[in-house]
Parts: sequence; structure tokens; C-alpha cells
Amino acid sequence: GQSLEQPSEVTAVEGAIVQINCTYQTSGFYGLSWYQQHDGGAPTFLSYNALDGLEETGRFSSFLSRSDSYGYLLLQELQMKDSASYFCAVSSFQKLVFGTGTRLLVSP
Amino acid sequence: ETGVTQTPRHLVMGMTNKKSLKCEQHLGHNAMYWYKQSAKKPLELMFVYSLEERVENNSVPSRFSPECPNSSHLFLHLHTLQPEDSALYLCASSQELAGGLYEQYFGPGTRLTVT
Repeated sequence: GQSLEQPSEVTAVEGAIVQINCTYQTSGFYGLSWYQQHDGGAPTFLSYNALDGLEETGRFSSFLSRSDSYGYLLLQELQMKDSASYFCAVSSFQKLVFGTGTRLLVSP
Repeated sequence: ETGVTQTPRHLVMGMTNKKSLKCEQHLGHNAMYWYKQSAKKPLELMFVYSLEERVENNSVPSRFSPECPNSSHLFLHLHTLQPEDSALYLCASSQELAGGLYEQYFGPGTRLTVT
């Protein structure tokens, strides 16, 4: 089977840096994706890691270690609008398997 | 219209009703998906259609019946639902690549309430 674990909730203040971890157990692994979902909204794609290392896209970075079955999403210079749920997802050929999501609360 | 659209956005139905959810993607993708999202649970993959053929059915009860008439449209037909089926139903599409699924585009979802 496939399973992913991530913290249920993380809190931080504006301007801070926060890291959301994701560990996974899976077969047929192609890569690890991250999605953001605001309350009442649809999930939107943030990043994808197929190889080990860090991928940076603006304020957001994502890291993958295939040997450790572990990845994280790093959010820098937090803004209030970053308050949302963040999902990691394992990518296989024809589907994504999502984690339970981490709710990020950013306070002033 | 752009991206992935879903109708209706909200639906309230009784347990004996029959209704259908509609999804349309305007991205030229070749794969479409139905997900169920309940509170405190991960996104649950229900069905996958690749090139208009169903390639995955994740042990979904038969009261949910998908239909994919072409690569741009996806339906979810609902009948004799249970209250526990109340959830947000999300449609997504993607372009399948040999290197694995890279990115999915989600519609806004249909908030379903079964009374």
C-alpha cells in the first residue's frame, strides 16, 4: 500500500520561515509533489521533486531525499495569505496519492 | 472558460435522489480524475480515466458511477447516496507523461450534502 505522513497543523508569524515535513511509504515512486489549498478553494500545484535535492520557486522551496523516503516544503518570508492547507503527494504513473494535509496558520 | 470547471458548485440531495456532477477541462489533457475530500481526511482518489478509459476504481461503492464520454468531459452519477457521502467532490485533469504524473489541475469542486 501507500501512505504519507505530515503534521496536522503548524503555526508561525508573518515574516518567519516554516518547514512542513512529509514521510512516505510507497511503491512505484516517480516523485513528490506539493499542493496548496485555501479554505473553500481547490488544491493548486506548488512544486515537484523527482530527484534528490532542493527545488526553489520564489519564497517556496521543496526538498526530497529518496533514500529516506522524506521530503519537505519550506516557506520563507511568510505572509498572511500563506495560511492554507498544504498537501504532499506521491506521484506514480497514473495517479497521485495525497497525504492528510498540514494546516498552516500565519499570525500577524 | 479556462482550466477545469465543475457544476454544480453546491448540491443538496435526498438519499433516494439521482443526480450527476459534471466536470469539463479546457487544457487539452488526456487524463481526468474524481476525488472525494472529507473533513480531516486526505484526498481520496475515486476514479481515473486515461484516454477516456477507466484505469482505476478505488473500491468505490456502486452508488457512484463515473462516465467519460470524451477527453474533455467527466461525469459522476449519484444514486441512493448515504449521509456519509456528504463531502467535497473534486475533479482534476493532467497530461500523462512517461516520466510519471507531474501536475494535476483541480476544479473548484462540488460541495455535496446528502440529507
